[in-house]
Amino acid sequence: RKEVEQDPGPFNVPEGATVAFNCTYSNSASQSFFWYRQDCRKEPKLLMSVYSSGNEDGRFTAQLNRASQYISLLIRDSKLSDSATYLCVVNDEGSYGKLTFGQGTILTVHP
Amino acid sequence: NAGVTQTPKFQVLKTGQSMTLQCAQDMNHNSMYWYRQDPGMGLRLIYYSASEGTTDKGEVPNGYNVSRLNKREFSLRLESAAPSQTSVYFCASRREDRLKETQYFGPGTRLLVL
Repeated sequence: RKEVEQDPGPFNVPEGATVAFNCTYSNSASQSFFWYRQDCRKEPKLLMSVYSSGNEDGRFTAQLNRASQYISLLIRDSKLSDSATYLCVVNDEGSYGKLTFGQGTILTVHP
Repeated sequence: NAGVTQTPKFQVLKTGQSMTLQCAQDMNHNSMYWYRQDPGMGLRLIYYSASEGTTDKGEVPNGYNVSRLNKREFSLRLESAAPSQTSVYFCASRREDRLKETQYFGPGTRLLVL
C-alpha cells in the first residue's frame, strides 16, 4: 500500500468549473500536510499548506480529516492556468523535513 | 536570489559510466534533499542532509552517493550508471518555518542511461 495515495486522473474540466481532489495517507503519525503544484516538465512548487481547521487561499480550499487520514483540495472557478499536476504531500514530525509525495493528480482545464 | 540551481539540465550516459549532479542554494537553508521522479511513482527521496556535514539515506539510496560540500552545495553521484537510474532528478532545500514550512526545488536534471 502506498503511503500517500491520489487518484491520478486525468481530470478534464471546463473553465469556471469546480473540481475536487482527494488524497489518503497511511502513516497516522504524519504531522504536516501540503499541496504542491507541478507544471509540465517543471519543478514542484508549494501551492498551500493544509491545516487541521481547513484553510482557504483565494479559489483554493484545503481540508484535512485526521481521523480518516484524508486530505482534499477544492478549486473553484477553474482557470486555464490551473492546468497542472497537483501533488499531495505529507511530512512526519521530527523527520528532518522528509516529504512523502503522492503520485499526483493531473488537471486539464479547457475553454 | 537564484533559489535552487542544478546542473546539468540534461545528460545521456552509457551503462557503467559515472557522473555527478550538482545542486546549490542561496537561501541559507540548513536542509537539502535529492529526489527522483518517475512516471506513476511520484517523487521519491534518495538522500538528504539535515545540516552541513551530515547526510542520511532516504527511500531509494542504492546506486547513489552524496556530498554536502558546504551549506550551499549538495551533490549526487552515480558511480556506475544503470538504465534503472533513468529519471528526472530534483534537488530541494527546506525553509524551516513553523508557520510556513516549504521546500524549494531546483529545475531538475533529466538523465537517460542507455
